Parts: sequence; structure tokens; C-alpha cells
Amino acid sequence: RKEVEQDPGPFNVPEGATVAFNCTYSNSASQSFFWYRQDCRKEPKLLMSVYSSGNEDGRFTAQLNRASQYISLLIRDSKLSDSATYLCVVSSGAGSYQLTFGKGTKLSVIP
Amino acid sequence: GAVVSQHPSWVICKSGTSVKIECRSLDFQATTMFWYRQFPKQSLMLMATSNEGSKATYEQGVEKDKFLINHASLTLSTLTVTSAHPEDSSFYICSALDRSLAKNIQYFGAGTRLSVL
Repeated sequence: RKEVEQDPGPFNVPEGATVAFNCTYSNSASQSFFWYRQDCRKEPKLLMSVYSSGNEDGRFTAQLNRASQYISLLIRDSKLSDSATYLCVVSSGAGSYQLTFGKGTKLSVIP
Repeated sequence: GAVVSQHPSWVICKSGTSVKIECRSLDFQATTMFWYRQFPKQSLMLMATSNEGSKATYEQGVEKDKFLINHASLTLSTLTVTSAHPEDSSFYICSALDRSLAKNIQYFGAGTRLSVL
């Protein structure tokens, strides 16, 4: 089983749509969780951290369920500029801060 | 602006040559940096953890004698791909760990696309 698994995608949605990405992780000792976005042939950029209580940043809402080892990202009112690959990222913490990346889910927002 | 600078962004070399990639943290001191590799349509895979003033820690399956890492200062880590071969062609990305103010955030460089002919 892969350490971090994501929806395979791609997701093709019209502008203004709401889209949800799911992610599961296998290491129950994981302590930190993130969503990164990666544009084609570019480096990953931190979109938001994910907290147990759930957190929102504008049109983006992230949720974490530790019991199910499940993370989600909801994007409301999709914009063309949201088109990218969204990476679910998990860190075991424990002083090493190593990140484990999912393969990513590609999102294309269509005019 | 970028907080981590990676250079070069693109390199083409002949098989058998060595290539050095630099990773610099611009706005903070980074005792820990990471080197990743990403093949097309694959996830980023951690190659090694670079620790300032000590030896790097390599992930399983990554040859330390082939991928030389030097982290001689708090703002610079280098990765040298020795005797590069076509199978080493990939997207190499570094990150620097910012521990200031308990942030513990990794900032990524823009990546280096290596093509070995």
C-alpha cells in the first residue's frame, strides 16, 4: 500500500464549480498534513496546512480525519488559475520533518 | 519573491559527466535541506536529507557515492550527480526547512531539469 494515496484524476470542471479532492495516508504516526499545488514543470508550492479542526482559506477548505487517516481539500467557485496538480503531503514530524508526497491529482478548470 | 534559490534551472550534459546543483535559502538559515527527484507523472521522491555540518542521510536505494551532497553553510546545500547517465535524467528539487518562529515549513526551489544525453 502506498504511503499517501490520492484520487487519480484528472478532474475537468467548469469555472465556478466546486471540486473535492481526497487523500488517505498509511502511517498512523503522521503528525503534519499539507496540501501543495504544483504547476506543470514547476516546484510544489504550499497551499495550506491541514489541522484536525479543519481550516479554511478563502475558497479552500481542508479537513483531516485522523481516525480514518483521511484528508480532503474542497475548492469552491473554481477559477481558471486553480488549474494545477494538487499534492497531498504528510509529515511524520518526530524531529525529521521529512515530507511524503502523494502522486497528485490534476485539476483543469475549463472556461 | 522566492525564499529558496536553486541553480541551474536546466542542464543538458553528456553521459559520464558530473553535474552540480546548488540550493540556497535566501531569507533564513536552514540547518536542514532536502533533495527530491521527480520522474514524469510520478510523485516527488525524497533522495536525501542534507544536514549542515554533518553527513547527509540518504533514502533507501539512493547511492550516496553517486549523489554527493555537501551542506557546508547554513544557507547552501549542493547536490552533485557524478558520472551521470541517461537514467539520471529527471527533475531535481531541493527544499529548505524554515524552523524560525516554530513554523517548520519546507520551501522549495524552482527545480533543476537534468537531461543526460
